[in-house]
Amino acid sequence: EAGVAQSPRYKIIEKRQSVAFWCNPISGHATLYWYQQILGQGPKLLIQFQNNGVVDDSQLPKDRFSAERLKGVDSTLKIQPAKLEDSAVYLCASSPPPTDTQYFGPGTRLTVL
Amino acid sequence: GESVGLHLPTLSVQEGDNSIINCAYSNSASDYFIWYKQESGKGPQFIIDIRSNMDKRQGQRVTVLLNKTVKHLSLQIAATQPGDSAVYFCAEGQAGTALIFGKGTTLSVSS
Repeated sequence: EAGVAQSPRYKIIEKRQSVAFWCNPISGHATLYWYQQILGQGPKLLIQFQNNGVVDDSQLPKDRFSAERLKGVDSTLKIQPAKLEDSAVYLCASSPPPTDTQYFGPGTRLTVL
Repeated sequence: GESVGLHLPTLSVQEGDNSIINCAYSNSASDYFIWYKQESGKGPQFIIDIRSNMDKRQGQRVTVLLNKTVKHLSLQIAATQPGDSAVYFCAEGQAGTALIFGKGTTLSVSS
């Protein structure tokens, strides 16, 4: 079974630029999560989708971050404009119904200069 | 919001020893707990999980213990191997919600 796919794996941008990350969850997984992991810390939820609907985006900085999952499969996370403090690894995870076990992708390491 | 914490940031053991990684959680409403292993440059990898109606669950070389009275979770790794070296995170959650992670414990195994 293929795992969660993410791209790109690495991205370096300058502050105030925009960037987008892509995630393809495990086939059949209805729930998709985006987490932000700052160096030395555990992942922190940004947004949770159930199919193509948002379940929880309470911790998403909506003035600069946006995410969508239009067809209930792939998802994109965008940052515009980026700030220095956005430097982190952005992890995508998915889980199948009815379990709560989340399976993570390899992440995208973002460096904002 | 409430978050999960870990007792020790680092743990060093010898190959073949048993390792115990501890975690304290604060949300009494959490009913699902999970341990992940994260190697450098990779995403968190599922190790084992446990629900709040259980006290103990065993997997291959790993055991998770849950003490709801003191809100404590532990991961025991038997016969630790160099390949077990990684950062270990515990996480808590409720059905259908995102997980809340602690800061992690770095396990170093020397041969």
